[in-house]
Amino acid sequence: GAGVSQTPSNKVTEKGKYVELRCDPISGHTALYWYRQSLGQGPEFLIYFQGTGAADDSGLPNDRFFAVRPEGSVSTLKIQRTERGDSAVYLCASSPGGVGNTIYFGEGSWLTVV
Amino acid sequence: SQQGEEDPQALSIQEGENATMNCSYKTSINNLQWYRQNSGRGLVHLILIRSNEREKHSGRLRVTLDTSKKSSSLLITASRAADTASYFCATDGTGGFKTIFGAGTRLFVKA
Repeated sequence: GAGVSQTPSNKVTEKGKYVELRCDPISGHTALYWYRQSLGQGPEFLIYFQGTGAADDSGLPNDRFFAVRPEGSVSTLKIQRTERGDSAVYLCASSPGGVGNTIYFGEGSWLTVV
Repeated sequence: SQQGEEDPQALSIQEGENATMNCSYKTSINNLQWYRQNSGRGLVHLILIRSNEREKHSGRLRVTLDTSKKSSSLLITASRAADTASYFCATDGTGGFKTIFGAGTRLFVKA
């Protein structure tokens, strides 16, 4: 597609439920990033993929968070046993890969845990 | 944790004035980028400056980088009401590909 696509754009879920957020990067981009952004804050790094592998997952807050990119394109961020503190905008971004490439962001998935 | 720190946190100016935002970072970098965000969604890339560059221009934007002070500034000249947004700096550390964002400057341009 023309840009990074994220679905759903909004998700309301109950505390304790499981959530999946999907990211469709720009075609041909090998690098894919997930960020989380709370109100009034900058994007917080979660995980970075180069191809199919997670090159850096140091930003995942705990083991309830997991992300996959099985074919090196679409990625899914999975959150188990959601908590109210997980409420945020989850941003996905992609780039052609390598140092110094511009990162292109999707519009984000707004997650609200009630 | 966040690598970059922008200041001021918020800036309110009149249309036509220049807006200057600063960013400081902690570790050595390969590149520094500035992004803009409207209404808390979708960041838009504005400009990238490499560690061996000192200044870069793009339209009404001027970015400077001082690696000795670990700081950068974004200048928007002749601001417009449509420039109202949050502006973030982001850095690529020399140790890898991870791009880290600061907390942002909220710019409000009054018409």
